[in-house]
Amino acid sequence: NAGVTQTPKFQVLKTGQSMTLQCAQDMNHEYMSWYRQDPGMGLRLIHYSVGAGITDQGEVPNGYNVSRSTTEDFPLRLLSAAPSQTSVYFCASSYGTGGTRELFFGEGSRLTVL
Amino acid sequence: AQSVAQPEDQVNVAEGNPLTVKCTYSVSGNPYLFWYVQYPNRGLQFLLKYITGDNLVKGSYGFEAEFNKSQTSFHLKKPSALVSDSALYFCAVRPFSNDYKLSFGAGTTVTVRA
Repeated sequence: NAGVTQTPKFQVLKTGQSMTLQCAQDMNHEYMSWYRQDPGMGLRLIHYSVGAGITDQGEVPNGYNVSRSTTEDFPLRLLSAAPSQTSVYFCASSYGTGGTRELFFGEGSRLTVL
Repeated sequence: AQSVAQPEDQVNVAEGNPLTVKCTYSVSGNPYLFWYVQYPNRGLQFLLKYITGDNLVKGSYGFEAEFNKSQTSFHLKKPSALVSDSALYFCAVRPFSNDYKLSFGAGTTVTVRA
C-alpha cells in the first residue's frame, strides 16, 4: 500500500516555464488537495477536489490549475512559474468528504523557481 | 474566516520532562481540531483530533490534547518527552460549517535534548 505518492521530489524551473506536479493515491480516497508550505506560514490550501470531475479553489489558487479525471490522480499545474512559487508542495487525501476526516500526506515536492 | 495561532516558534525540553505545544483558534461555530507532526524531509502525519465529546483527546505516540472552548485552545501535551519527538508540529482547524477547508498554524519546532 503506497499511500499518497508525489513526483517529482525536487524540481528547478526558470521563470515562465510550466510544469506539472503529480499526485496519486491508492486508498480510494474521495477528497484530495494540494498545499504549499512556506517558512513561518504553515500550510496553505491551493486547490481541492471532492471527487472525480469536481475541483474548487483554496486560499492561494492564483497561478495554479488542477483537474481530477480519476479518483486516484490529482495533478497540479504551474502555468507560468514565478519565483514566488518557490515552495514545498504537499498533496493530501482523506476518506470521504466529511470534515472529521484526517488527511494523509505525500512526502512533498520541493520546487525552486529561478 | 477561521485561523490558528501557535504562539511559540520553538519549544525546547529535556528528555523525560513534560512537553506542551500551544495552539489557539478562531472559528465561527463549533471547530474540528487536529494536530499533525512533520519529521525532517517528510510529509505530515496525523497525531490526533477533537470532534466532539470528551475534552481530553488521546492520540499516537503517547500524545494527548485538551480542548478548552472558553479559552479557544487545543494544546498538545506529552507527559515525558523523548528525543525522537523532535519535529515540527502543526495545529489545524476546520469549522463545522465547512467540510473542506482545513487551516493550519505556522508550526512549532520541538527540540528534545538528551
